[in-house]
Amino acid sequence: AQSVTQLDSQVPVFEEAPVELRCNYSSSVSVYLFWYVQYPNQGLQLLLKYLSGSTLVKGINGFEAEFNKSQTSFHLRKPSVHISDTAEYFCAVRFRGSQGNLIFGKGTKLSVKP
Amino acid sequence: EAQVTQNPRYLITVTGKKLTVTCSQNMNHEYMSWYRQDPGLGLRQIYYSMNVEVTDKGDVPEGYKVSRKEKRNFPLILESPSPNQTSLYFCASSFGGITGELFFGEGSRLTVL
Repeated sequence: AQSVTQLDSQVPVFEEAPVELRCNYSSSVSVYLFWYVQYPNQGLQLLLKYLSGSTLVKGINGFEAEFNKSQTSFHLRKPSVHISDTAEYFCAVRFRGSQGNLIFGKGTKLSVKP
Repeated sequence: EAQVTQNPRYLITVTGKKLTVTCSQNMNHEYMSWYRQDPGLGLRQIYYSMNVEVTDKGDVPEGYKVSRKEKRNFPLILESPSPNQTSLYFCASSFGGITGELFFGEGSRLTVL
């Protein structure tokens, strides 16, 4: 079955520290990968996406993610977080051959402390 | 401004009283979808539409109806709401295809008493 797993439901971190939010998927077909961010009381907005090509993709607000096909992972990283990065982050996957529906992980709440 | 607009943003209702949550997008997107977000469960798809007059069930369609009579609008209908439908609902749209970015509305928080 095709699924998306975000391994951490909550990640607390101090300001200016690095952070990695983990995402793994299970699929036997090619995938398209996305990270979305949800700030408090708002809808989701796209951070970055991997469609093809370079496995390291850069997004908004200094975030980047690396696609690792052998490990079926798409972890999100930022070298130095700010208080304003406090939000919930969702990994999402589209599977080639599907009708285009996104399957979301359960989310990771990033809490940045001063 | 390109946007997805949902109404109402907040609603408290009682069991069994029919309600409609409207969703409208101004980006001429073909694909539209409804999700519900519950703590610890992430986003789960309720219904989606690939184009006008084409709708299909997502993962959790029970208790919901949708229609797509116009490209820009995709209302979510709860014919007889129940407390287990208390949730945060999001409408989203995209140009379609499997590489397109989803654009989300700001959400509608529904409480069913």
